[in-house]
Amino acid sequence: GAGVSQSPSNKVTEKGKDVELRCDPISGHTALYWYRQRLGQGLEFLIYFQGNSAPDKSGLPSDRFSAERTGESVSTLTIQRTQQEDSAVYLCASSFAGQGHNEQFFGPGTRLTVL
Amino acid sequence: GEDVEQSLFLSVREGDSSVINCTYTDSSSTYLYWYKQEPGAGLQLLTYIFSNMDMKQDQRLTVLLNKKDKHLSLRIADTQTGDSAIYFCAEMGSSNTGKLIFGQGTTLQVKP
Repeated sequence: GAGVSQSPSNKVTEKGKDVELRCDPISGHTALYWYRQRLGQGLEFLIYFQGNSAPDKSGLPSDRFSAERTGESVSTLTIQRTQQEDSAVYLCASSFAGQGHNEQFFGPGTRLTVL
Repeated sequence: GEDVEQSLFLSVREGDSSVINCTYTDSSSTYLYWYKQEPGAGLQLLTYIFSNMDMKQDQRLTVLLNKKDKHLSLRIADTQTGDSAIYFCAEMGSSNTGKLIFGQGTTLQVKP
């Protein structure tokens, strides 16, 4: 069966440009998470969706970051006016539900490089 | 706030046991996890433990949880070269969103 997919797999952009990263979760998973992994670091939580709503956006580092989810499916993470410190791997995960133990299945990530 | 700490590197010989340690700060954590990350591959859930347990065994993996000291460990018996990877400890934080707080990862090197 299909897992979590993300596109693009790699993105190189110039400082100041906007980027959009896409996540296709596993069908039927109501919870969706975005994380960021800087080089040599663990994952940092960015945002959590339950359905199309985002009850927890506490990890978004600045107002340049935003995300949306539509149709309780695809999610897009947008970074405006990218900065070099935004360079990282952006990982998406989905799970059957948000509360309690529900295994989060991770996508392969989008490697973002800001020149 | 919530924080998870791990040692950065561990090197063992093939066939030995590996023990990867993790400490966390959130005493209200409900679930604690071990993930494996191999080069070019996504994160894979290895095992997890509920906070009211102190041990869980799954084939070659043994998880020990000391809730009083907020210490979690992962023991891999008979370590193989295929176990070489980065291992992340994570806790499910006190919110009810299911978000995970990760440590910085321990690189396990298995020498033949």
